[in-house]
Amino acid sequence: DAGITQSPRHKVTETGTPVTLRCHQTENHRYMYWYRQDPGHGLRLIHYSYGVKDTDKGEVSDGYSVSRSKTEDFLLTLESATSSQTSVYFCAISGRRGGNTEAFFGQGTRLTVV
Amino acid sequence: QQQVKQSPQSLIVQKGGIPIINCAYENTAFDYFPWYQQFPGKGPALLIAIRPDVSEKKEGRFTISFNKSAKQFSLHIMDSQPGDSATYFCAVYTGANNLFFGTGTRLTVIP
Repeated sequence: DAGITQSPRHKVTETGTPVTLRCHQTENHRYMYWYRQDPGHGLRLIHYSYGVKDTDKGEVSDGYSVSRSKTEDFLLTLESATSSQTSVYFCAISGRRGGNTEAFFGQGTRLTVV
Repeated sequence: QQQVKQSPQSLIVQKGGIPIINCAYENTAFDYFPWYQQFPGKGPALLIAIRPDVSEKKEGRFTISFNKSAKQFSLHIMDSQPGDSATYFCAVYTGANNLFFGTGTRLTVIP
């Protein structure tokens, strides 16, 4: 398995509080992504990064910000958590293996906003 | 909006059957079409992928069929087993290294 870890794995937080999720990789891949997974919606891209300090918005970026100060770390921040942000969050990294580009996923973070 | 449409949402087959999952897309800029398999509590894992210059790719019991003119691709699982029970996602990939996923198909293979 690719070296990608997410922390925390589970978190319960109150509405209006800030929350930061961390993704750490040991593969030295350039591209990193944050997705959320919700029933009936599949995996939706929140933000992605194509290098240190280089980030861009995905399809569901409202209410989220990201930062990437080092190649290995990609942080997702909910500035003021809302109940609609209750979800499972997956970090992914993208690289080439065997001539093909593929994405590796972390184990996910289950976030509950109460 | 959804970049790729996946169907069906759920699928139940008997052991040995051949479940088929379909995906359709609109943007002809997509140039890589992977399928991911996800077990409960785990992250999605790459299963098989195809590029638009071929019409079919097989890896073990898993086959992707690709119809470029119709902008559709599908996953076939030959001789399905209970251990194949999982959620399957198709995805489309742009040159900007963005992966967009379908909504997923929950497959159940009955022993």
